[in-house]
Amino acid sequence: GAVVSQHPSRVICKSGTSVKIECRSLDFQATTMFWYRQFPKQSLMLMATSNEGSKATYEQGVEKDKFLINHASLTLSTLTVTSAHPEDSSFYICSARDDRGRGVEETQYFGPGTRLLVL
Amino acid sequence: GQNIDQPTEMTATEGAIVQINCTYQTSGFNGLFWYQQHAGEAPTFLSYNVLDGLEEKGRFSSFLSRSKGYSYLLLKELQMKDSASYLCAAPSYSGAGSYQLTFGKGTKLSVIP
Repeated sequence: GAVVSQHPSRVICKSGTSVKIECRSLDFQATTMFWYRQFPKQSLMLMATSNEGSKATYEQGVEKDKFLINHASLTLSTLTVTSAHPEDSSFYICSARDDRGRGVEETQYFGPGTRLLVL
Repeated sequence: GQNIDQPTEMTATEGAIVQINCTYQTSGFNGLFWYQQHAGEAPTFLSYNVLDGLEEKGRFSSFLSRSKGYSYLLLKELQMKDSASYLCAAPSYSGAGSYQLTFGKGTKLSVIP
């Protein structure tokens, strides 16, 4: 099956620093990738849709200047949390849609997630 | 918009059968997904229903009733490893042939000996 990787899997940083998280589709091309955030005991909340070659589409309430998304190639999207604060501590998960997919069922393959802890 | 509702927690005994319900209200129907998520891990795909009825896949089955806006996930012969959160999710069309998922809050299932 399709594989999506995320790096790093876990990161601890000081308040005020920036953290970059990478999401890669390993065996397929993905024009579209998605970034989610999940707080403890909560569900996944879509933050933004990342589109290769164009600007990301952010969900309501998500600051685009704080969560920078770059989808530079068909296999890589990055999420940079700028000036991170303790309230940004969360589990960040990406997913990627296989460009060959034709139906709704072939929607998204999830990465393993990145746990961010801001001290 | 999308509104998805499922119970917060359930407990069941090893070897038993458990049914996890999901009700949804969507602005356009494009099927319904079920995902399993173990603590600290990403969700894994379990099933996708677009037509009414029951679809069986090994120990897991998923049912859909579009007229009632209702789905359930049925887990048989429960094993300890089935302890996880089960997420109901509805796709909505986001343009350019792509769909985005709206997730329910998830049902945390605890399987006890």
